[in-house]
Amino acid sequence: QLQLQESGPGLVKPSETLSLTCTVSGGSISSSSYYWGWIRQPPGQGLEWIGSMYNSANAYYNASLKSRVTISIDTPKNQFTLKLSSVTAADTAVYFCARRVRNAYNYKYFDYWGRGMLVTVSS
Amino acid sequence: DIQMTQSPSSLSASVGDRVTVTCRASQPISTYLNWYQQKSGKAPKLLIYAASALQSGVSSRFSGSGSGTDFTLTISTLQPEDFATYYCQQSYSTPPSFGQGTKLEI
Repeated sequence: QLQLQESGPGLVKPSETLSLTCTVSGGSISSSSYYWGWIRQPPGQGLEWIGSMYNSANAYYNASLKSRVTISIDTPKNQFTLKLSSVTAADTAVYFCARRVRNAYNYKYFDYWGRGMLVTVSS
Repeated sequence: DIQMTQSPSSLSASVGDRVTVTCRASQPISTYLNWYQQKSGKAPKLLIYAASALQSGVSSRFSGSGSGTDFTLTISTLQPEDFATYYCQQSYSTPPSFGQGTKLEI
C-alpha cells in the first residue's frame, strides 16, 4: 500500500522560505506513470494546487505561485520537496503531498494523499 | 484558468436520503472531472475520476455523471460516514482547479 508522509517545520517566519518533504513508501517515486505534487488548504477554505513534478525533470507550477515555488525529486531517497519563498500569513495552510496518476486515456487524478501538515506563517 | 463552481455550498440531509451535488466548469472540459470526499482533519479521498469512473474500493452508492460543463455527484443512499465535504476538480488543463466544496451535513 502506497503511503505519503509530509515533514518539515510547522512554523515559518514571514519573508522566509517554507520547506517541506514528502516521503513515499510502498512504491517507487521513479515510475513514469505518475506526477508528484503539492496541494494546500488554508484553514476553513478550499483546495489549491501548488505544483507537480513529472519524471524528475518536468515541473509544473500554479502561475499564481510560480515565482516563489520550487518542487524537486530525490529519487534515491524516494522523496520530493516543496520550497516556497518569501512567505506571508496568506501562505498559512495545511499542505498535502499527493500522487497524480496520468492513465492511458490521459485522465489525471490525485489518488494517494499524505495526511497533511499545518504550516503557520508567523513571527 | 478554468473556474469550477459547486452547488449548493452546503446541504442538509438524513441517513437513507438520495443526494446530488452539482459542479459547473467555466469552459468545456469533456469528462476530465474528478470528485473527492474530505472529512474534517483528513486528506481528500478520490471517489470518482473521468466524470463517472468509480475509484477502486469506493462504495457503489457513489456515482458521477456529466460532460462538457455540467457534472453531478450522486450518493444513492446516505450512510452516516458520508457526511463530509465534497470537491470537484478539473484535469482538462493546468492548473488543475477545485470547486469551493459542498458540505454535507446531517
